[in-house]
Amino acid sequence: GNSVTQMEGPVTLSEEAFLTINCTYTATGYPSLFWYVQYPGEGLQLLLKATKADDKGSNKGFEATYRKETTSFHLEKGSVQVSDSAVYFCASYGGATNKLIFGTGTLLAVQP
Amino acid sequence: GAVVSQHPSRVICKSGTSVKIECRSLDFQATTMFWYRQFPKQSLMLMATSNEGSKATYEQGVEKDKFLINHASLTLSTLTVTSAHPEDSSFYICSARFGGIGYTFGSGTRLTVV
Repeated sequence: GNSVTQMEGPVTLSEEAFLTINCTYTATGYPSLFWYVQYPGEGLQLLLKATKADDKGSNKGFEATYRKETTSFHLEKGSVQVSDSAVYFCASYGGATNKLIFGTGTLLAVQP
Repeated sequence: GAVVSQHPSRVICKSGTSVKIECRSLDFQATTMFWYRQFPKQSLMLMATSNEGSKATYEQGVEKDKFLINHASLTLSTLTVTSAHPEDSSFYICSARFGGIGYTFGSGTRLTVV
């Protein structure tokens, strides 16, 4: 079945640092891929998505490219802010299942 | 658009009592809703898939009799934690699917059983 693996946190960065959170997936076929963000005490919000190979999702300075050859969807941001501190979830949908499958989440802490 | 409202946001209950959590789609009809439980260190576990007008489909290892799910209308799904115990304390999140692969999430419910 489908699965998603993302790097463990916490990730601690200084403001304006470059961010990468790794995410890889396994799936039958070509799933759609997502990054969700969860701020403290809240539910999940869609950050960006990509539905086919080589698509790049982007939002609020975050980007992720659907790489079929490496089965990856790494999240990047060139310059993080304190307000980006949150938990980030990589997820996949499709293939043999019609469920949204999440990675374990990565806590990002940005220090001023 | 595609907003899901989840209530209550926080609830404290005594051990042995039942608690109901509501999930409403405010501006769309949700034929399918999902219930997740979030454990410490963030991991999200899908508990069940709720389909309007039919029985919920539970994931392996989730007790159907403890976590009762009802999806009686196109805008409301409820999760009732029956005979709650401290180990049921957790953060519960609902989600609804819209527009094919779009998912929207409620703001979550922090359940504390004392």
